[in-house]
Amino acid sequence: QVQLVESGGGVVQPGGSLILSCAVSGFSLSTYGMHWVRQAPGKGLEWVAVISYEGSKKYYAESVKGRFTISRDLSKNSLYLQLNSLKTEDTAVYFCASGGTFNFWGQGTMVTVSS
Amino acid sequence: NFMLTQPHSVSESPGKTVSISCTRSSGSVAGNYVQWYQQRPGTAPTTVIYENHRRPSGVPDRFSGSIDGSSNSASLTISGLKTEDEADYYCQSYDSSSYVFGTGTKVSVL
Repeated sequence: QVQLVESGGGVVQPGGSLILSCAVSGFSLSTYGMHWVRQAPGKGLEWVAVISYEGSKKYYAESVKGRFTISRDLSKNSLYLQLNSLKTEDTAVYFCASGGTFNFWGQGTMVTVSS
Repeated sequence: NFMLTQPHSVSESPGKTVSISCTRSSGSVAGNYVQWYQQRPGTAPTTVIYENHRRPSGVPDRFSGSIDGSSNSASLTISGLKTEDEADYYCQSYDSSSYVFGTGTKVSVL
């Protein structure tokens, strides 16, 4: 049974940092590419970043490029998103999702950027 | 990059059929697969259509997807509407390692 569980969200001041985690069970991260997707309160879905199944390719949305870093740890079968230089507009629920067609999603973790 | 534009909302009565359009602003809609996701309030999205027209197991055949090169758009059609279909729906596609979600459509079942 596939399960994706995000954690690490919270309240952080503008300019601060946070690390989000996504623990995966039911398949190996070396099998599928993995994404982070976010949703601001009352807004639509926004793709944030992807890491390829082999781990060598990483791509980012323009809105987060240079501030966010996607990574993974195969030994823990976990995906991560390092969020730096946070802005108020980064406030959102952050979801991890698997595969090129986003076939499985986690429940999301809330990040609030506020002074 | 490109955008995917959807109508803000659609509404119809139970048992009827609705179609949601998803228009790609640049590049060919036929060049990359389109997926559709359903999101009920307070929950994560789930896939209802992938690779333009394929349904994941467990998704009823009331849901169907298609693409139209002439209008450079994709469509999600829900037939035999049920109250449980009331949700937000998003299309999604990609190009040059950039993934894009549509603007989202709220489906109301009156």
